[in-house]
Amino acid sequence: EADIYQTPRYLVIGTGKKITLECSQTMGHDKMYWYQQDPGMELHLIHYSYGVNSTEKGDLSSESTVSRIRTEHFPLTLESARPSHTSQYLCASSTRGQVYGYTFGSGTRLTVV
Amino acid sequence: AQSVTQLDSHVSVSEGTPVLLRCNYSSSYSPSLFWYVQHPNKGLQLLLKYTSAATLVKGINGFEAEFKKSETSFHLTKPSAHMSDAAEYFCVVSPSNFINFGNEKLTFGTGTRLTIIP
Repeated sequence: EADIYQTPRYLVIGTGKKITLECSQTMGHDKMYWYQQDPGMELHLIHYSYGVNSTEKGDLSSESTVSRIRTEHFPLTLESARPSHTSQYLCASSTRGQVYGYTFGSGTRLTVV
Repeated sequence: AQSVTQLDSHVSVSEGTPVLLRCNYSSSYSPSLFWYVQHPNKGLQLLLKYTSAATLVKGINGFEAEFKKSETSFHLTKPSAHMSDAAEYFCVVSPSNFINFGNEKLTFGTGTRLTIIP
């Protein structure tokens, strides 16, 4: 039973479109993350947040942006999608009291044509 | 379907002695395998990865892992533990090609907490 939800699960969209990938968690976790992963490859951290109104860029440069207006919600936006953005995007959360371990969402598989 | 089992939830070793963190996997497809480390209040950091090339994989900070298909294992080792190695370690399996990507998600092990005794 998932406590972190990502929508949509799959998305095929044309070049130049604006898209928002949704991520919500019901666990009250203060830390949230966005990872990008290509098939068979490692995760790359692209954004993270330590709480409301806190957002930081991750290790991998990304043209996407994020916001954290509410604890439970951490959406990722691409203003103008390009084929190079085709990838899987994984949202995760953890809590300050849970030093180790994450809860991951099921991911959004994005294809830009 | 795929799964990962990290056989030890907690491992303690003395500084300067070898480290062994065990991971067994199952996968319907040819997998990619990874080890990640997480230090307190940090994001995941990739230690090493296996993607169907050499079965003995060397990573950062002196870690290495060997892919053994016959044993479905991908154990992580280091010859000599350092205090800075104390962290949580995750074994991860992932489908290795686009065809299967939509049907399988990234699967994490439950983690092994490594404690180093001075």
